Amino acid sequence: DIVMTQTPLSLPVTPGEPASISCRSSQSLLSSDDGNTYLDWYLQKPGQSPQLLIYMVSHRPSGVPDRFSASGSGTDFTLKISRVEAEDVGVYYCMQRVEFRWTFGQGTKVEIK
Amino acid sequence: EVQLVESGGGLVQPGGSLRLSCTTSGFTFPNYWMIWVRQAPGKGLEWVANIKQDGFEKYSVDSVKDRFTISRDNAKNSLFLQMRGLRADDTAIYYCAAGSVVRGILHWGQGTLVTVSS
Repeated sequence: DIVMTQTPLSLPVTPGEPASISCRSSQSLLSSDDGNTYLDWYLQKPGQSPQLLIYMVSHRPSGVPDRFSASGSGTDFTLKISRVEAEDVGVYYCMQRVEFRWTFGQGTKVEIK
Repeated sequence: EVQLVESGGGLVQPGGSLRLSCTTSGFTFPNYWMIWVRQAPGKGLEWVANIKQDGFEKYSVDSVKDRFTISRDNAKNSLFLQMRGLRADDTAIYYCAAGSVVRGILHWGQGTLVTVSS
């Protein structure tokens, strides 16, 4: 199975400042079948179910604030928050779907300093 | 409004069985991959199993293979997880979720707690 490794695991942030989380996969997430790269980002706010933030590396679903952006290719990916707000606290997970056996990263806990 | 409601969780002894159900509404169930994701107490998310729209393609994490079976009933907009041979390390909140190949996991339930303990 593909192993997903996130860094850092804990990220204290100051409101209004930027933040960045990295995610690395043990093999490329580029599909040889269709040329798409299957890497998503999810946020689990305290006491809530996870929610989709980004799909296919950099696509933001409607309703997700534009302060969230993401990029990457192959095995290295990054989620960025341009200006952190208090409501952004929680645990962020990357997840690969290039294989049907999906895997999550360990999670990065974002908290306000 | 999209709703996914899990049921069937509870306390079970090691070696026991449980069947989780997920009743859905507010979206076209037969068009979605369906997924079970679990979260052990204080731990991260773990993908457990998924099932394609037609119900024939299924995949599961190695730790539950041969013990857990995912299934779906498109006529009843429902997803199931039959769990056998339960172990202490299966203790977790089990989330039902719906997704697409293109857009990832779009909808999540609130989860049902499974506790395996004597």
